[in-house]
Amino acid sequence: EVVLTQSPATLSLSPGDRATLSCRASQSVSNFLAWYQQKPGQAPRLLIYDTSTRAAGIPARFSGSGSGTDFTLTIGSLEPEDFAVYYCQQRSGWRGWAFGQGTKVEIK
Amino acid sequence: QVTLRESGPALVKPTQTLTLTCTVSGFSLTTSGMSVIWIRQPPGKALEWLAVADGDGDKYYSTSLKTRLTISMDPSKNQVVLTMTDMDPVDTATYYCARVQLRAFDYWGQGTLVTVSS
Repeated sequence: EVVLTQSPATLSLSPGDRATLSCRASQSVSNFLAWYQQKPGQAPRLLIYDTSTRAAGIPARFSGSGSGTDFTLTIGSLEPEDFAVYYCQQRSGWRGWAFGQGTKVEIK
Repeated sequence: QVTLRESGPALVKPTQTLTLTCTVSGFSLTTSGMSVIWIRQPPGKALEWLAVADGDGDKYYSTSLKTRLTISMDPSKNQVVLTMTDMDPVDTATYYCARVQLRAFDYWGQGTLVTVSS
């Protein structure tokens, strides 16, 4: 089973800053990695799928990259509404799924 | 418009069986390759997938919970039902259903909080 490790656990930044979030897989995986944003009291929202494809309606400041075991979500310039928790997600084995433990992006 | 909505009890007692229903609209459960997944999130913790069912009739379960879970689809009602047996306080969580598309979960329900307590 694939284990996804996200870093850092917390990222303290100011509006306008660039955010770089990391997701590392315990074994080399396909490029079927996704990223989600979750705000308090809300369901997660799909941001990125297949490593780098933005979901419908997601602003261009969100971008994804990576391959093999190392993946990155970049938020180009943080807007006030971007402060939230971000999760990566990957297929794990045959018809299994894995989530990272999340990175909280908080206002510095 | 695609929507998913979870329903079920807010409170269950330890050892009881939990039954949750996900009612979907805007897409067909019988479409080949279409899947619906159940995911939970304990308060303040990360997401954990539980079970997934697809339009071809296949079902898959989390390894750690498979002995306690059953997922079923009722396309005539546009519903996906999850049962979890032998509930314990550690199972207290918000339970979500989501549509699986493009190897990711593109639409989610709003979630339902289930508390396990005597």
